[in-house]
Amino acid sequence: GGIITQTPKFLIGQEGQKLTLKCQQNFNHDTMYWYRQDSGKGLRLIYYSITENDLQKGDLSEGYDASREKKSSFSLTVTSAQKNEMAVFLCASSRRTGSDYTFGSGTRLLVI
Amino acid sequence: QQQVRQSPQSLTVWEGETAILNCSYEDSTFNYFPWYQQFPGEGPALLISIRSVSDKKEDGRFTIFFNKREKKLSLHITDSQPGDSATYFCAASGNSGTYQRFGTGTKLQVVP
Repeated sequence: GGIITQTPKFLIGQEGQKLTLKCQQNFNHDTMYWYRQDSGKGLRLIYYSITENDLQKGDLSEGYDASREKKSSFSLTVTSAQKNEMAVFLCASSRRTGSDYTFGSGTRLLVI
Repeated sequence: QQQVRQSPQSLTVWEGETAILNCSYEDSTFNYFPWYQQFPGEGPALLISIRSVSDKKEDGRFTIFFNKREKKLSLHITDSQPGDSATYFCAASGNSGTYQRFGTGTKLQVVP
């Protein structure tokens, strides 16, 4: 069985700081995703990538950058942390775009 | 614009009862509908899914009923157990190459 690992599990940043979240999967899945989860708002797509070095914007990409350096890893950067960005960031992967997702356990971000 | 809607936002049932979680969508090109289950502190995990060519999918105590004409589906959890207490997300996607859209989730509590 494979695993999808997100680091760090908890991230405390200061307002205006640039913060990077990392995700690794060993399923050999083609597509990887970053979602943001806010209470009462469900999961909103920030970025996804269908292959190495590919990037596709989601519904919530403003204020974020992403990078798919290799097939197994996908990182997300919060370009300037804002106080209203206290949320859980979930990474997921799937064999191909739209097929069933496997999620990581999330990175919980707190901005002080 | 929320393309996938869920209701209720939260639901409490007694152990042994049937919990009914509702989902609706707007895009008629959606043809695949997975449901994910999320426990606190974890990422969502695929629970059960249905394709639009079917009107019912059963897996143990979990059943999806699908009404294509009304663009509605529901997840029925029979003989609910306290271990079923979790947040349930309905998602939808179209043909290969389109990412899944998620609803806002239903938080289910099963009381012993």
